[in-house]
Amino acid sequence: NAGVTQTPKFQVLKTGQSMTLQCAQDMNHEYMSWYRQDPGMGLRLIHYSVGAGITDQGEVPNGYNVSRSTTEDFPLRLLSAAPSQTSVYFCASSYSSLTGAGNTIYFGEGSWLTVV
Amino acid sequence: AQTVTQSQPEMSVQEAETVTLSCTYDTSESDYYLFWYKQPPSRQMILVIRQEAYKQQNATENRFSVNFQKAAKSFSLKISDSQLGDAAMYFCAYKLVEYGNKLVFGAGTILRVKS
Repeated sequence: NAGVTQTPKFQVLKTGQSMTLQCAQDMNHEYMSWYRQDPGMGLRLIHYSVGAGITDQGEVPNGYNVSRSTTEDFPLRLLSAAPSQTSVYFCASSYSSLTGAGNTIYFGEGSWLTVV
Repeated sequence: AQTVTQSQPEMSVQEAETVTLSCTYDTSESDYYLFWYKQPPSRQMILVIRQEAYKQQNATENRFSVNFQKAAKSFSLKISDSQLGDAAMYFCAYKLVEYGNKLVFGAGTILRVKS
């Protein structure tokens, strides 16, 4: 019963380095999304996907890329890390129904990223 | 754009007492969902309660209940018989009835429970 799995849980990057945060879910959810959480702010949507091959930008997409080649995986890529990307990142998934089960959104445990 | 406002950065409650956390939101839509999430120090996001905007009846989950005032765009969370394990950050969130699980979060309220 894995749910939403994020890796790594902790990462320190140097400015300019690239990395990928991995997110996998085993519930056959169509919808997946990435959020970031900064001090004094709630979670903000970075990118989201409504199915394999379909992605779109959220509120704060700059500096991040995503792709969705399978239903299970939704990686988040930082192409050239900046200190402003120091944050806690959450992946989330849910079914695609607009009511009922589609509104139970499952979150991963978070990935702490520090860019120095 | 939709916005969610939590005006109380921090609240305290005595164990076994009742506390209410406030949330207001701004939207021009009539069909949407509202949520309260709990985030303990582990940072795990835990769904506390959910309210469908088309339902007039306030949602209740054990010791947790909401006061949903659609016209006032208000969605407060009441925690009864507060327990030490209730201490956490609480986020109010809004979601349109549309494709994609796109939540809009408030800034959060830290709840401290005193024994």
